[in-house]
Amino acid sequence: EVQLVESGGGLVQPGGSLRLSCAASGFTFSSYWMHWVRQAPGKGLVWVSRINRDGSSTSYADSVKGRFTISRDNAKNTLYLQMNSLRTEDTAVYYCVFQSNGVCHWGQGTLVTVSS
Amino acid sequence: QAVVTQEPSLTVSPGETVTLTCGSSTGAVTSGHYPYWFQQKPGQAPRTLIYDTSNKHSWTPARFSGSLLGGKAALTLSGAQPEDEAEYYCLLSYSGGWVFGGGTKLTVL
Repeated sequence: EVQLVESGGGLVQPGGSLRLSCAASGFTFSSYWMHWVRQAPGKGLVWVSRINRDGSSTSYADSVKGRFTISRDNAKNTLYLQMNSLRTEDTAVYYCVFQSNGVCHWGQGTLVTVSS
Repeated sequence: QAVVTQEPSLTVSPGETVTLTCGSSTGAVTSGHYPYWFQQKPGQAPRTLIYDTSNKHSWTPARFSGSLLGGKAALTLSGAQPEDEAEYYCLLSYSGGWVFGGGTKLTVL
């Protein structure tokens, strides 16, 4: 069974940092591009970042470029999102996501709250 | 980055048909954007309904269908049911990454 388990969320002050992790199991992690998607409370889905299979290529939404860094460790089947210079508008549930055979698989999400 | 637009809200009567659309600021939506449609209910993760414009999964009710219509991706619900009340998101793929639409809140009333 495919499982994506995010962790690392919490309360952080504006300007602070957090590192999110996504532990993957039930599929060949190294074979898939991986994404982070976020959803602010009561708002829509927003794509944040993606990384290719071996980690050599990354892309970011304009809203996080230069502040967030996506990475992966295929030996540990884990995806990461390093978030620096956090802003109140970064408050959201963060999901790790991948596509396989027309299905987007989502984790349960981890809540990041940026507030003083 | 591109902006993907959806109707913020739509209302449909039970048994009636409604079409949700998904447009791109860069021009016509094509099959090369690999349009996806998701259904999300409160407190749940999104569920894939349609992928690559018009393909369904085994769990996709037959009353849902996807297409390209007038330069946009479209999700048509034929014969709405009360359980179809939810938020619907489209997703388009671009060279730089994904872009989600803002979502359509569908009310079945």
